[in-house]
Amino acid sequence: GQQLNQSPQSMFIQEGEDVSMNCTSSSIFNTWLWYKQDPGEGPVLLIALYKAGELTSNGRLTAQFGITRKDSFLNISASIPSDVGIYFCAGGIQGAQKLVFGQGTRLTINP
Amino acid sequence: DGGITQSPKYLFRKEGQNVTLSCEQNLNHDAMYWYRQDPGQGLRLIYYSQIVNDFQKGDIAEGYSVSREKKESFPLTVTSAQKNPTAFYLCASSIGGLAGGTGELFFGEGSRLTVL
Repeated sequence: GQQLNQSPQSMFIQEGEDVSMNCTSSSIFNTWLWYKQDPGEGPVLLIALYKAGELTSNGRLTAQFGITRKDSFLNISASIPSDVGIYFCAGGIQGAQKLVFGQGTRLTINP
Repeated sequence: DGGITQSPKYLFRKEGQNVTLSCEQNLNHDAMYWYRQDPGQGLRLIYYSQIVNDFQKGDIAEGYSVSREKKESFPLTVTSAQKNPTAFYLCASSIGGLAGGTGELFFGEGSRLTVL
């Protein structure tokens, strides 16, 4: 089935730094979603993208739907301690009835 | 408040026992899903249901069973046939299902199952 390759798998940064992570696939997706998961909790939707080339921001977060529809990236600017967690990308194919998730990027921030 | 409630949050089971995880939503969503999460891996789909009294297997359905007798409820049973059941289980719902909806999933807080 479809697979998403999410990178990096983990990041260790200093507070205040910018963060960038991405997802790539050999398949085309119609929807790209980015979720954040805090320890012991369920993922929460951060940004949803529905159109190739779309660039969307949510506060310090910015995500883009790649023009080829095979990739997406998420940037976090000026990281703060509450940004710690696991970030997942997810791709959706119209009519496929389900999302495909990346392996996650674990973000750790040193104060 | 509207949301998805999973219970129990933590569950311990002996090998060979079946266990049922509860998932209830009051969002009036049509579709519900069960995912399994293992360390270092993405979320893998176990089962999903688009409407009441109907459900489909996901990518890793073997050893699991579900029912959808009510719109708001989608319990998952982990059977003794599941060879490696220790994991974090997440229930989710969406408006109208992924085909016609926005694709946005709303997740519960998860249930951690440990087999002793």
